[in-house]
Amino acid sequence: NAGVTQTPKFRVLKTGQSMTLLCAQDMNHEYMYWYRQDPGMGLRLIHYSVGEGTTAKGEVPDGYNVSRLKKQNFLLGLESAAPSQTSVYFCASSYEVGTEAFFGQGTRLTVV
Amino acid sequence: DQQVKQNSPSLSVQEGRISILNCDYTNSMFDYFLWYKKYPAEGPTFLISISSIKDKNEDGRFTVFLNKSAKHLSLHIVPSQPGDSAVYFCAASSNFNKFYFGSGTKLNVKP
Repeated sequence: NAGVTQTPKFRVLKTGQSMTLLCAQDMNHEYMYWYRQDPGMGLRLIHYSVGEGTTAKGEVPDGYNVSRLKKQNFLLGLESAAPSQTSVYFCASSYEVGTEAFFGQGTRLTVV
Repeated sequence: DQQVKQNSPSLSVQEGRISILNCDYTNSMFDYFLWYKKYPAEGPTFLISISSIKDKNEDGRFTVFLNKSAKHLSLHIVPSQPGDSAVYFCAASSNFNKFYFGSGTKLNVKP
């Protein structure tokens, strides 16, 4: 049982490049989330999904897009990367919203 | 403006003693609180939770206390062990909505 798996673990992008972060969960959870963690800021919610085919904005959605075409996958896209998007990104899933979430191991993204 | 605050970025405790990690919140509508533990290069893992209908919840060496009037919760670890050294995040939500996280406290338990 892998839980929540994020791909890739590390990535360096040049300003203006695009990329997609993939999150996969095998727990049949309805709810999935993308967070970013920055020094001194804790975890901030970017986007979340309450089920297949649905997405919603979190606290810091600008510059990101998401898709949930399959229940087990939640994709986070950066269309035109900016240095301000240098961060550690965590995906999480939960059985219900507002209950304890299971996190992936994180993706460290650097935009130069 | 952060709705959940952990004002101590770090805490150092001797092995066997009590660790007390604090968390304050500003939104009086928050009614469910969680603590997560995070080791380097790993994602956060759930530790313990408390609902606003309680003021205390225990799980082994970990106890969370909630003071609703002060909008304050704390995590007590007794006795502290070197393996408890990690970053601890508190998180809060209202009406089973999305969570807001604090900035974390790095706990170092010295052998």
